Amino acid sequence: AQKVTQAQTEISVVEKEDVTLDCVYETRDTTYYLFWYKQPPSGELVFLIRRNSFDEQNEISGRYSWNFQKSTSSFNFTITASQVVDSAVYFCALLQGAQKLVFGQGTRLTINP
Amino acid sequence: NAGVTQTPKFQVLKTGQSMTLQCAQDMNHEYMSWYRQDPGMGLRLIHYSVGAGITDQGEVPNGYNVSRSTTEDFPLRLLSAAPSQTSVYFCASSRGTGVRETQYFGPGTRLLVL
Repeated sequence: AQKVTQAQTEISVVEKEDVTLDCVYETRDTTYYLFWYKQPPSGELVFLIRRNSFDEQNEISGRYSWNFQKSTSSFNFTITASQVVDSAVYFCALLQGAQKLVFGQGTRLTINP
Repeated sequence: NAGVTQTPKFQVLKTGQSMTLQCAQDMNHEYMSWYRQDPGMGLRLIHYSVGAGITDQGEVPNGYNVSRSTTEDFPLRLLSAAPSQTSVYFCASSRGTGVRETQYFGPGTRLLVL
């Protein structure tokens, strides 16, 4: 069965600190896709990144970076120099089959000024 | 493009009432889906469609019906609402089904069933 676990239910840090959100997945597929979505207080879901199982290179986008490690089945997300606007719920998701997304429980990140 | 739109934004129902949550996309996406979001459980797939005239069940389909008469629209019907259906509902779409495309989500509909 496909499963995504985000063990950190809530994280609270002070602005400018670095923070890492963990994501561990389970799948029997050799080809799979992983995603991160952000859900700000306004409620919409914002796509952040997509990564396929053949590409283990780390990705950096501004203050955001992602560390994909197949050996540990993890796809962790790090925010460097966090800002109050980063406060949101973050979801990790695994694509099952052609288009079925399996989501983790989400991590609520609070950045305090 | 407006992307994925959902109406209404918020709805209150009484137990036993019926209603339809609307979802539309203007990106000519083949794949559309409905998820519900409950506290501590992430999002769970209710129903999905790989094209007009084709629908299938997801993880939690009971109590919901869908149809896909056009590429653009994918309404979700609650025939007899129950308090357990109180949730936030998200519609999503993606370009294709053969290739694993990124899904883009609508703004959500918050439903309260009393």
